[in-house]
Amino acid sequence: GENVEQHPSTLSVQEGDSAVIKCTYSDSASNYFPWYKQELGKRPQLIIDIRSNVGEKKDQRIAVTLNKTAKHFSLHITETQPEDSAVYFCAASPLVTGNQFYFGTGTSLTVIP
Amino acid sequence: NAGVTQTPKFRILKIGQSMTLQCAQDMNHNYMYWYRQDPGMGLKLIYYSVGAGITDKGEVPNGYNVSRSTTEDFPLRLELAAPSQTSVYFCASRDSTGGVNIQYFGAGTRLSVL
Repeated sequence: GENVEQHPSTLSVQEGDSAVIKCTYSDSASNYFPWYKQELGKRPQLIIDIRSNVGEKKDQRIAVTLNKTAKHFSLHITETQPEDSAVYFCAASPLVTGNQFYFGTGTSLTVIP
Repeated sequence: NAGVTQTPKFRILKIGQSMTLQCAQDMNHNYMYWYRQDPGMGLKLIYYSVGAGITDKGEVPNGYNVSRSTTEDFPLRLELAAPSQTSVYFCASRDSTGGVNIQYFGAGTRLSVL
């Protein structure tokens, strides 16, 4: 099955700096890569996603890049704010050939005011 | 719309007891999922369903059972609870129409087996 690895496990940045979280996947059949934000004690919520036919996607301060050849994708958060502090999860899914989602182990991001 | 509703929010079980975690969605989504989240870890898929009457195993199905008699409901059954099943359980639904693939999660059920 698919194996998704996520790094780093913890990340601290100063407010206003950028944060980058990286994930790798093993199954070339994976073609959909969502990112979720989970605040303490809350449910995961989708913040951005990307399909394998796209190399980059942006939504205001958040961007995701995908390198299919190297099987890795990254989340970029610019101009970080204290409310960005949360645990971020990447995931991979072979939506065309299957319906399962495989999650990374999460990155705890702390934005220091 | 209420979205995805999970009950109960918290539960403590004794070893060997059984229980059913309830999940209901009112968005008419075909796909539903059950995940468990252990402390400091990502979500692991237990079971999923692509529609009423159709279920399939995920990564960690042992010790659990599911059923999907209606589009709305997807209960997760724990038989003979074990301490290893202490976790936070999330139910999710997904709409696959129109190329949309967003998973909507319930608020979770925090289960302790003692």
